[in-house]
Amino acid sequence: KAGVTQTPRYLIKTRGQQVTLSCSPISGHRSVSWYQQTPGQGLQFLFEYFSETQRNKGNFPGRFSGRQFSNSRSEMNVSTLELGDSALYLCASSPGGVVYEQYFGPGTRLTVT
Amino acid sequence: AQSVTQLGSHVSVSEGALVLLRCNYSSSVPPYLFWYVQYPNQGLQLLLKYTTGATLVKGINGFEAEFKKSETSFHLTKPSAHMSDAAEYFCAVILSGSARQLTFGSGTQLTVLP
Repeated sequence: KAGVTQTPRYLIKTRGQQVTLSCSPISGHRSVSWYQQTPGQGLQFLFEYFSETQRNKGNFPGRFSGRQFSNSRSEMNVSTLELGDSALYLCASSPGGVVYEQYFGPGTRLTVT
Repeated sequence: AQSVTQLGSHVSVSEGALVLLRCNYSSSVPPYLFWYVQYPNQGLQLLLKYTTGATLVKGINGFEAEFKKSETSFHLTKPSAHMSDAAEYFCAVILSGSARQLTFGSGTQLTVLP
């Protein structure tokens, strides 16, 4: 099976702009979660989607949003970018049900200038 | 609230020596436990997991970990380090239930010396 794919891999944006990141989960996986990784804060949970519904949300401002499509693909949007949003954004997929382990994609490296 | 503590942000071992990376969690309910590895400029790779059943779990690349409820620990070990094991390792927990929110430790950078 193909793994989790994320596009784009690298992105440079200017402060105040918005950005959309995409994630395609492993085939058959219905749960998609997003995480932010920074040197200062480490790995932090953003949100989880399951069957097109946001099931859980981390402690991030409303500028961070996401959605999931009927084919389980997910997008994450960040509006009004700030310098502190520079990070590696990781997407993870999970089958759902009684399976809890998550499989991560390679990430999107976002740099805000 | 649950949290994860990884003792030692940097660990160095010689090639062929024992690898021991420490992880303790705080949770009133035994969580599901995971170890992930991250190589430079890559995502996280699942090494092993504990959900239920046997407390000694074996993972990929010769790693294993033991869930000790009395010590609230889930330390990662490998009998003999290889140069290719050099990477950052993350311990993570998730509470049982429908949510899949991983809470990560701060990570341990493993260096393997020749």
